[in-house]
Amino acid sequence: AQTVTQSQPEMSVQEAETVTLSCTYDTSENNYYLFWYKQPPSRQMILVIRQEAYKQQNATENRFSVNFQKAAKSFSLKISDSQLGDTAMYFCALRGGSEKLVFGKGTKLTVNP
Amino acid sequence: SQTIHQWPATLVQPVGSPLSLECTVEGTSNPNLYWYRQAAGRGLQLLFYSVGIGQISSEVPQNLSASRPQDRQFILSSKKLLLSDSGFYLCAWSTGVRNTIYFGEGSWLTVV
Repeated sequence: AQTVTQSQPEMSVQEAETVTLSCTYDTSENNYYLFWYKQPPSRQMILVIRQEAYKQQNATENRFSVNFQKAAKSFSLKISDSQLGDTAMYFCALRGGSEKLVFGKGTKLTVNP
Repeated sequence: SQTIHQWPATLVQPVGSPLSLECTVEGTSNPNLYWYRQAAGRGLQLLFYSVGIGQISSEVPQNLSASRPQDRQFILSSKKLLLSDSGFYLCAWSTGVRNTIYFGEGSWLTVV
């Protein structure tokens, strides 16, 4: 079975600073994808970044980057230059060779002015 | 570009009434379609998925059903709603296994 664990239920950061959200996972598959989704107060689930497990290079999308440690099964999200609009729930998710996208329970991030 | 729409955005229904949530994807053909539910304070739960017209797979046995009458249309239904059906429902699509899943705006259902 695949599992995703986010150990930080809530975090806060000051505007313009950097914050890292943690995620660990477990899967027996070798070929899988990892995702970070953002869910703002509007509740729409928005893709932030994705990482293919076969790629060693960490994915980057503007102010968002990941630290993918395959052996440790760790997939953390770093947000640089935090903005008020980054305030949201952040979900780590794993997808292997099935239709299922397995989600963690989420981390509530608050960016303070 | 591809877009996904679902409606209605908000719904308040009495216990025992029927339900119909609709979802449409544009800009792609033969997508894989999904219905997820997010209960208050919880993560997302996959309810149904479809890899083609008329093909529905259920992940959780419950009071709901899904149908796919057209290639890019996915419908979530219930004949008689329960209080426990309340939640936030998200339609989603992807181009296949291991590909990114993209979500619609979501529908709030409150059963009273």
